[in-house]
Amino acid sequence: DIQMTQSPSTLSASVGDRVTITCRASQSISSWLAWYQQKPGKAPSLLIYKASSLESRVPSRFSGSESGTEFTLTISSLQPDDFATYYCQQYNSYPWTFGQGTKVEIK
Amino acid sequence: QVQLQESGPGLVKPSETLSLTCTVSGGSISSYYWSWIRQPPGKGLEWIGYIYYSGSTNYNPSLKSRVTISVDTSKNQFSLKLSSVTTADTAVYFCAGGGGTVDYWGQGTLVTVSS
Repeated sequence: DIQMTQSPSTLSASVGDRVTITCRASQSISSWLAWYQQKPGKAPSLLIYKASSLESRVPSRFSGSESGTEFTLTISSLQPDDFATYYCQQYNSYPWTFGQGTKVEIK
Repeated sequence: QVQLQESGPGLVKPSETLSLTCTVSGGSISSYYWSWIRQPPGKGLEWIGYIYYSGSTNYNPSLKSRVTISVDTSKNQFSLKLSSVTTADTAVYFCAGGGGTVDYWGQGTLVTVSS
């Protein structure tokens, strides 16, 4: 299985901060990486697919990038609605696997 | 807009079989790959497997010996059976649809394994 390792596990930030979450794959996944946002008691929702493509209706303050097997989710200016847990997921090969999650908390 | 709704027992006894059904509305089940994904309380997400409307399946090897996913196109539903459950199978179970990415999610249903 491809292991997805996210960092940090928890991130404390303030409204307006620039936030960066990293996801590292244990082997090449090309650009087959997605990012999801999950709020407590809710299902995750898709933010970004193919490493850097923004899902429709997702605010442009969210962006994704890649460098080899390292992928980054950036929130350019953190908004109150963005405090949540974020997961990466690889869909290059089976089984599809998720990172362990990064919780973005209010500082 | 595709909507998904899980249904099934919220409590299952150890060693028994967990059974859930997902009803797809607002779209045809003859599109997308239909997955089950679970999330133990306070933990991360685990992909269980998917089925395509044709009936082809792909399961997570970690659960493959215990999992069956089936589809009923006439009812726009797909189902999960997980046999020989233990307390480690206690989780919120999500049904989901997509093609690699998960574009659509059900609200999730908590299944507790307990005697």
